[in-house]
Amino acid sequence: KNEVEQSPQNLTAQEGEFITINCSYSVGISALHWLQQHPGGGIVSLFMLSSGKKKHGRLIATINIQEKHSSLHITASHPRDSAVYICAVMPGNQFYFGTGTSLTVIP
Amino acid sequence: EAGVAQSPRYKIIEKRQSVAFWCNPISGHATLYWYQQILGQGPKLLIQFQNNGVVDDSQLPKDRFSAERLKGVDSTLKIQPAKLEDSAVYLCASSTGLAVEQYFGPGTRLTVT
Repeated sequence: KNEVEQSPQNLTAQEGEFITINCSYSVGISALHWLQQHPGGGIVSLFMLSSGKKKHGRLIATINIQEKHSSLHITASHPRDSAVYICAVMPGNQFYFGTGTSLTVIP
Repeated sequence: EAGVAQSPRYKIIEKRQSVAFWCNPISGHATLYWYQQILGQGPKLLIQFQNNGVVDDSQLPKDRFSAERLKGVDSTLKIQPAKLEDSAVYLCASSTGLAVEQYFGPGTRLTVT
């Protein structure tokens, strides 16, 4: 059983489209992270949030603690957004990772 | 600020051989993590250090994997002997403490043939 489920697994979008990636988790958490992983393996932390909503540029992350659900939105998507987006939750000191959503944005 | 450094970036070995990976965390970061990421999966925690002490190594296959962080700074992860199923990207991450944002290195891609 995976504590973190992401959907969709794969997503293809046209440049400019609004994109939503979802994350559901089954454990109580202190925080949730959205991470971006480009081909080649490097991981970059996009957001760490424990409530509400955060925005950075074209990226918006929301979390609903009661529903154990978070979403990552990308507005005006661009080919450089193509990457794997990973949701990770922290029930304590350890991270539990989702399997990731592979996003491809086509020009 | 320099990021998390890892070496080598790529390694190809034959099964039953040994391999070692090195990680240099961000200066001042007390917590260091080693993850294994198999293709198509999310990272899996292998071991977590707080300074030079082990916080969690429950998912480390201790019959073949070992890790150390002797001076509380750099860390090495060793596999001896390697198996085909060890082919993965090995990620190192560091943070200022427990339960806070982690910063990831570029990873080492290991191929076992």
